[in-house]
Amino acid sequence: DQQVKQNSPSLSVQEGRISILNCDYTNSMFDYFLWYKKYPAEGPTFLISISSIKDKNEDGRFTVFLNKSAKHLSLHIVPSQPGDSAVYFCAASGRNRDDKIIFGKGTRLHILP
Amino acid sequence: GAVVSQHPSRVICKSGTSVKIECRSLDFQATTMFWYRQFPKQSLMLMATSNEGSKATYEQGVEKDKFLINHASLTLSTLTVTSAHPEDSSFYICSARAPHNEQFFGPGTRLTVL
Repeated sequence: DQQVKQNSPSLSVQEGRISILNCDYTNSMFDYFLWYKKYPAEGPTFLISISSIKDKNEDGRFTVFLNKSAKHLSLHIVPSQPGDSAVYFCAASGRNRDDKIIFGKGTRLHILP
Repeated sequence: GAVVSQHPSRVICKSGTSVKIECRSLDFQATTMFWYRQFPKQSLMLMATSNEGSKATYEQGVEKDKFLINHASLTLSTLTVTSAHPEDSSFYICSARAPHNEQFFGPGTRLTVL
């Protein structure tokens, strides 16, 4: 049973426009949510996170929104740039320090020129 | 951000041999490291949690006798794939938990078993 779901395997967005990547989760015990970016043959790099006590976190071009009642979060990238083309993983963990991070299957984002 | 290295980045081996992959946290001490496996177009699947000075905790379905994990120091964890077979070919990624609970990933190791 997948606890973190990214239902769109891929997404294409025109350069300069907004990219919106979506993620749903099923475990109400998740307390901390993260987005990672991954290029081929490289390890994931941390992008942005949000705690369950917030509904929005912004860092430059990246904003993560959390809707706890819907168990849904999204990552907004604006404006989208060619270097944003990568696979984006949504991840979640519980509030305890030893809790594992559970990853979604990822969404491949293509930024079109 | 913090740096985690993996060595080797790519390895090709014959079926039946063993392969060791190293994961190092370069600028922080990590009491906990994680080993993941990623198949093409799939998510990162957690294989095991490696705790310094104690036995690793394996996820369900992961053979602990096949994937040996050693976390002998606060900056080094190793994953040994024993008696490798072609189905073990995959991209193996480690991560290290930093003191403030962030997790930093290594660049990954591409294992190909012939």
